[in-house]
Amino acid sequence: DAGVIQSPRHEVTEMGQEVTLRCKPISGHDYLFWYRQTMMRGLELLIYFNNNVPIDDSGMPEDRFSAKMPNASFSTLKIQPSEPRDSAVYFCASGNYRQEYGYTFGSGTRLTVV
Amino acid sequence: GQQVMQIPQYQHVQEGEDFTTYCNSSTTLSNIQWYKQRPGGHPVFLIQLVKSGEVKKQKRLTFQFGEAKKNSSLHITATQTTDVGTYFCAGFDSGTYKYIFGTGTRLKVLA
Repeated sequence: DAGVIQSPRHEVTEMGQEVTLRCKPISGHDYLFWYRQTMMRGLELLIYFNNNVPIDDSGMPEDRFSAKMPNASFSTLKIQPSEPRDSAVYFCASGNYRQEYGYTFGSGTRLTVV
Repeated sequence: GQQVMQIPQYQHVQEGEDFTTYCNSSTTLSNIQWYKQRPGGHPVFLIQLVKSGEVKKQKRLTFQFGEAKKNSSLHITATQTTDVGTYFCAGFDSGTYKYIFGTGTRLKVLA
């Protein structure tokens, strides 16, 4: 298994541009999570899906952020328009209901908004 | 809302010394997980604790879940340079059905 695959690994964009982060979860995992990590705020849960359905998006900072999961093997996190304070590492993670093996995190996307 | 705090925030130890990080929740947890994140890497799952007072060991790592299920600890015996990284606990809040990650403890091991 290739694990959770995220793309791109690094993204540098100008303020005001749209940014799309992509994630392919592990096959068979029915939960998918998007996290943001910064030095100041640590690991923050943005949104999670169960069976492709968004369950809790209370962590999404504001309307500029949106996430979709059109099928079991793909999810996107979009920021439009991007701002410098969005600069962070964004992780996607997947897991199953029993959680006994925890979540598997992707390698993350390091986003820099200039 | 639920908060999960970890202490210390940073810890520098000499190789061979022991290390302990503590995780404290403001609410009772259904279970708790521990993760390790190497510098520049992503969190990697270490273990899950479910039962009150549970103790689990993985080689030099000992994990404990408190009797009240509001705190947990990770103890590393005789640290090695490969133990460097940030250790996170993640507590499961059955009310919101979410894991809340702790603030993390960054461990540096000096050779």
